[in-house]
Amino acid sequence: NAGVTQTPKFRVLKTGQSMTLLCAQDMNHEYMYWYRQDPGMGLRLIHYSVGEGTTAKGEVPDGYNVSRLKKQNFLLGLESAAPSQTSVYFCASSPWPTTDTQYFGPGTRLTVL
Amino acid sequence: AQSVAQPEDQVNVAEGNPLTVKCTYSVSGNPYLFWYVQYPNRGLQFLLKYITGDNLVKGSYGFEAEFNKSQTSFHLKKPSALVSDSALYFCAVREDDYKLSFGAGTTVTVRA
Repeated sequence: NAGVTQTPKFRVLKTGQSMTLLCAQDMNHEYMYWYRQDPGMGLRLIHYSVGEGTTAKGEVPDGYNVSRLKKQNFLLGLESAAPSQTSVYFCASSPWPTTDTQYFGPGTRLTVL
Repeated sequence: AQSVAQPEDQVNVAEGNPLTVKCTYSVSGNPYLFWYVQYPNRGLQFLLKYITGDNLVKGSYGFEAEFNKSQTSFHLKKPSALVSDSALYFCAVREDDYKLSFGAGTTVTVRA
């Protein structure tokens, strides 16, 4: 099993550009999450999904959109990137809600100039 | 308000000495608590969790954590630290059915 994979690993954008981050998991997990990690702030939840075709807002959803068209994939979109979105983005998945372990991908380091 | 607090940004210990990373929480009801570790340029890895039962929870890599309800704490411990334990450690608490709240993280440095 590859577990949770994320593409790309690194990306540099200019302000106003758009991009999509892809998360894929091969563990048949129902629940998937997108977090951003900033120094001194821990991980903050952007959006999450409780199953194929469903998405919900997390703590910091503004400026991001998500889609879960297939159970194994969870896409995070930035429609018009801003410097404040410079961060490391992590995807995670879990078989059950928050009583269970979340499995994390390796992260995507995004810089917005 | 932050649901989980890690009061120390950094912890430095010598190899072979005990390691403690502190965490306090603030949630209503019975807490579900987790510890994760992040090595450089990697995603988070699960270490251990407390859901119910014994207050002392044993996890991966020789780590354990003690749940203390009266002090609302869930400190991570290791009796004898290794240089390879140097990493960023996150405490997390269940917010609701689907969400965890993470602390800001504590950087652990174990010197040889």
